[in-house]
Amino acid sequence: AQSVTQPDIHITVSEGASLELRCNYSYGATPYLFWYVQSPGQGLQLLLKYFSGDTLVQGIKGFEAEFKRSQSSFNLRKPSVHWSDAAEYFCAVALSGGSYIPTFGRGTSLIVHP
Amino acid sequence: EAGVAQSPRYKIIEKRQSVAFWCNPISGHATLYWYQQILGQGPKLLIQFQNNGVVDDSQLPKDRFSAERLKGVDSTLKIQPAKLEDSAVYLCASSRTSSPETQYFGPGTRLLVL
Repeated sequence: AQSVTQPDIHITVSEGASLELRCNYSYGATPYLFWYVQSPGQGLQLLLKYFSGDTLVQGIKGFEAEFKRSQSSFNLRKPSVHWSDAAEYFCAVALSGGSYIPTFGRGTSLIVHP
Repeated sequence: EAGVAQSPRYKIIEKRQSVAFWCNPISGHATLYWYQQILGQGPKLLIQFQNNGVVDDSQLPKDRFSAERLKGVDSTLKIQPAKLEDSAVYLCASSRTSSPETQYFGPGTRLLVL
């Protein structure tokens, strides 16, 4: 079965600093990859997704992610963090050719210091 | 366009009581999902509907959980009887089809079982 690992439970950055959230997956084939953000008391919002093609994916709110097949990783990045980016971030993986149901990582909580 | 609606937003019950959650997906979305999100974890799929049929309920604890989407539009998730470990946020999501495209999430129902 596929699995998703987000090794960092919490990440603290200063406003204006760059951000990288890590995500590794375990699956033999290339899956579909997603990053979601969840603000307190809210549902999940899709930031970006990778299905195929260019391995550098641009998303909403200035986020991007890079798929690295050799490392089984799909790390999320942002060059300059804003205080409003403080939230929970989830990486998710879905089987290609399957039911497309995403398996979510445990999440990384982003704290932004002024 | 209106988003995914869920009610109630919060519910507190005692163990062994029953509870029901309601979800109204985005208009025209054929696929509806119910997820359980336990504190500190990512969402876990409970059941997926395609129109009014069940596509995947392999992770639904069928001895106590049930769900229906009779007319292929809104859906109800029920727990009877509830256990302490059912305390979680129950998220509903919808998508136009079941292929790997964007799932839109509702705000969730936060359940506390005492």
